Amino acid sequence: KAGVTQTPRYLIKTRGQQVTLSCSPISGHRSVSWYQQTPGQGLQFLFEYFSETQRNKGNFPGRFSGRQFSNSRSEMNVSTLELGDSALYLCASSGREGTDTQYFGPGTRLTVL
Amino acid sequence: SQKIEQNSEALNIQEGKTATLTCNYTNYSPAYLQWYRQDPGRGPVFLLLIRENEKEKRKERLKVTFDTTLKQSLFHITASQPADSATYLCAHSSGGYQKVTFGTGTKLQVIP
Repeated sequence: KAGVTQTPRYLIKTRGQQVTLSCSPISGHRSVSWYQQTPGQGLQFLFEYFSETQRNKGNFPGRFSGRQFSNSRSEMNVSTLELGDSALYLCASSGREGTDTQYFGPGTRLTVL
Repeated sequence: SQKIEQNSEALNIQEGKTATLTCNYTNYSPAYLQWYRQDPGRGPVFLLLIRENEKEKRKERLKVTFDTTLKQSLFHITASQPADSATYLCAHSSGGYQKVTFGTGTKLQVIP
């Protein structure tokens, strides 16, 4: 079974730009979560989508948004990039109801200059 | 809000010894705790899950315990090997479609 894939793997942007990251979950998984990971803050939860609906949301500003498509693929968008948005963005899918075990992709390394 | 604390940022142990990592949580007990391993530049990989009504879970050289009175989970790696060197993350989940909360991790270094 193919794992979670994320594209692109690396991205360099400048302040003020916007970025879209993509995630394809494990086949059959309907829940997709997004996390931001930085050395100082660890893994911070952004949001979770299930069957195209946002089910949970973390404490991030409105510049961070996401969506999920009918095939469970998900995108995350960050508008008006700031230097502090530089991080590893991880996507995880989950398939079994009740345990929420997260199966992570390799991540997208975003650098904002 | 729920806080997950992994007391040690880093832990160095000698090869062959047992590594013990600690995870403490505040507030309400989770439905289950999960442990993940993360290597540099990669996404975390799921290792073990323990439910609130379970005291202990084992998988090969790995063992997880759960004490709801102490609000603590311990993660043990027996007969540790240099290949076990990685960052280990604890994650809290209350189930019911609530979000999963991760600790900041403990970086384990196994010295040959």
